[in-house]
Amino acid sequence: GQQVQQSPASLVLQEGENAELQCNFSSTATRLQWFYQRPGGSLVSLLYNPSGTKHTGRLTSTTVTKERRSSLHISSSQTTDSGTYFCAMERSSAGNKLTFGIGTRVLVRP
Amino acid sequence: DPKIIQKPKYLVAVTGSEKILICEQYLGHNAMYWYRQSAKKPLEFMFSYSYQKLMDNQTASSRFQPQSSKKNHLDLQITALKPDDSATYFCASSQDAEQFFGPGTRLTVL
Repeated sequence: GQQVQQSPASLVLQEGENAELQCNFSSTATRLQWFYQRPGGSLVSLLYNPSGTKHTGRLTSTTVTKERRSSLHISSSQTTDSGTYFCAMERSSAGNKLTFGIGTRVLVRP
Repeated sequence: DPKIIQKPKYLVAVTGSEKILICEQYLGHNAMYWYRQSAKKPLEFMFSYSYQKLMDNQTASSRFQPQSSKKNHLDLQITALKPDDSATYFCASSQDAEQFFGPGTRLTVL
């Protein structure tokens, strides 16, 4: 089965709204990283958060390792936040290999 | 200045030909990776190298051969190209944990 599951698959927001993206993984993760990608663009690392809560700008990630889940909270969304958000994890026995979810596509309307 | 350089940005090849995708990183990292993103599959890990040594290979086909001539270089040679090889190939690097991705090479095989 899919090792990294992300929800929702897509999300439409009105500018200024908050959003919460979820990531669940099927095995113990030693690394957990959130990425952002615009269509046709590269993967931008947003937060590296294997456990606990981390913040950067309007983004907050909370990872509960023993429950095998992580979330990414976007506050006061802006149109420039539109794109796809990926969660990626590395299993404890998998070296440095990142396994990605299929992403959450976010559209922020003005 | 870009810290991870991938060349070329776009590449069109004919079935059966051979191409080399270039990756150089100027972050001083000791580990480098290749990932592939296609329309049909989520982002998938291909190879990882550490100190110029192959650490992990998740690519079933021997048509894909990474080449590391220098510590900060990890090229990807693809032989006998097939239309199914069409994808965007991302190079990444890391020092300890967080991985950083290059801009990608979009390969189209006709």
